[in-house]
Amino acid sequence: GAGVSQTPSNKVTEKGKYVELRCDPISGHTALYWYRQSLGQGPEFLIYFQGTGAADDSGLPNDRFFAVRPEGSVSTLKIQRTERGDSAVYLCASSSAQGLFFGPGTRLTVL
Amino acid sequence: QQQVKQSPQSLIVQKGGISIINCAYENTAFDYFPWYQQFPGKGPALLIAIRPDVSEKKEGRFTISFNKSAKQFSLHIMDSQPGDSATYFCAASGGYQKVTFGTGTKLQVIP
Repeated sequence: GAGVSQTPSNKVTEKGKYVELRCDPISGHTALYWYRQSLGQGPEFLIYFQGTGAADDSGLPNDRFFAVRPEGSVSTLKIQRTERGDSAVYLCASSSAQGLFFGPGTRLTVL
Repeated sequence: QQQVKQSPQSLIVQKGGISIINCAYENTAFDYFPWYQQFPGKGPALLIAIRPDVSEKKEGRFTISFNKSAKQFSLHIMDSQPGDSATYFCAASGGYQKVTFGTGTKLQVIP
């Protein structure tokens, strides 16, 4: 079946702009995660959804970052007033009993 | 605070050789230890995982060795192939599967 999909695959924006990153999880997976991966580093946890609610948002770096999952399926990660330090690959994953299944990521570049 | 330490940072192995990657963790609440494989431009893919009630798990050419008392675990890739060239991440989680990743090992298998 279809895996986790993320759009866009690449996003270039200017400092101070607002961006939205979308994640379509594997059908039927109730748990959804956002991670951020900087160059040469491992994925860093941002937020976890169980259904529609954020069960753990302890990894969000500050209040410029926000994520929603209104219908318990698609999720959107929103970043306000982007900064150059936000440049990274943003990974989405959904999970089953077998573990986490990651999408290909969105590469965000803030100029 | 790095909860999962991984070494080496990079590794070059001859085709047919054994690749060994080591990880150590601090949080004794961790109860699930997966390894992920990541190719350039792709999201991490679950390779193999172990729980602390066993000391070893083997799947094909991939083996995890786990030492609970030392809080260490390792990945062995037997008969390494050029197609195994990728970045490998160890990880750990507890409870609802918030996964904490190591910093990654870039493996290059040379013919």
